[in-house]
Amino acid sequence: GAGVSQSPRYKVAKRGQDVALRCDPISGHVSLFWYQQALGQGPEFLTYFQNEAQLDKSGLPSDRFFAERPEGSVSTLKIQRTQQEDSAVYLCASSPVGLGPYNEQFFGPGTRLTVL
Amino acid sequence: KNQVEQSPQSLIILEGKNCTLQCNYTVSPFSNLRWYKQDTGRGPVSLTIMTFSENTKSNGRYTATLDADTKQSSLHITASQLSDSASYICVVRGGGGADGLTFGKGTHLIIQP
Repeated sequence: GAGVSQSPRYKVAKRGQDVALRCDPISGHVSLFWYQQALGQGPEFLTYFQNEAQLDKSGLPSDRFFAERPEGSVSTLKIQRTQQEDSAVYLCASSPVGLGPYNEQFFGPGTRLTVL
Repeated sequence: KNQVEQSPQSLIILEGKNCTLQCNYTVSPFSNLRWYKQDTGRGPVSLTIMTFSENTKSNGRYTATLDADTKQSSLHITASQLSDSASYICVVRGGGGADGLTFGKGTHLIIQP
């Protein structure tokens, strides 16, 4: 019973570089969420997938952020032309069913991105 | 605006002592409130979830309370252990957004031997 895994765990990028962060949700989980967590802050919602469909991307801070989940399992969050303000921990969470008030999310360990 | 405020921001206590963390929220409509534990370098892990009608819920040495009238919740940790050192995040479901969640900034708890 593997949990949600994310890779890489740490990423250092030079300003202007593109990065790709991977999330492997728990097998069979329908819902997948991406969050951005700045140092000392709670997670902030970025985007939500139900299977392969991206149903909400209202939290993505700019058009430099792009997420996909083409086969409804693994998801990739891509950040183009990284800026220093993108430095944060990026958390992925999955849930076994669709949106519902009591559905529990299972979080991955996060990817810590540092942009120099 | 939906908000979740937690206090204190950080707390240091001696091993074996008890402590209480506070959470005040202004989220509408309200569905449920969760407490998460986030160890350093790890993702949040759910401790408790409470609905509108629940006042108290326990999970081992963790006891959460909810007063839906005053929109306050607390997390009480009994007989603290070194492994309790972590950030504790209060999360309220019910507002807008795809996930419907509003996260607090967390209380950073350090247990000293």
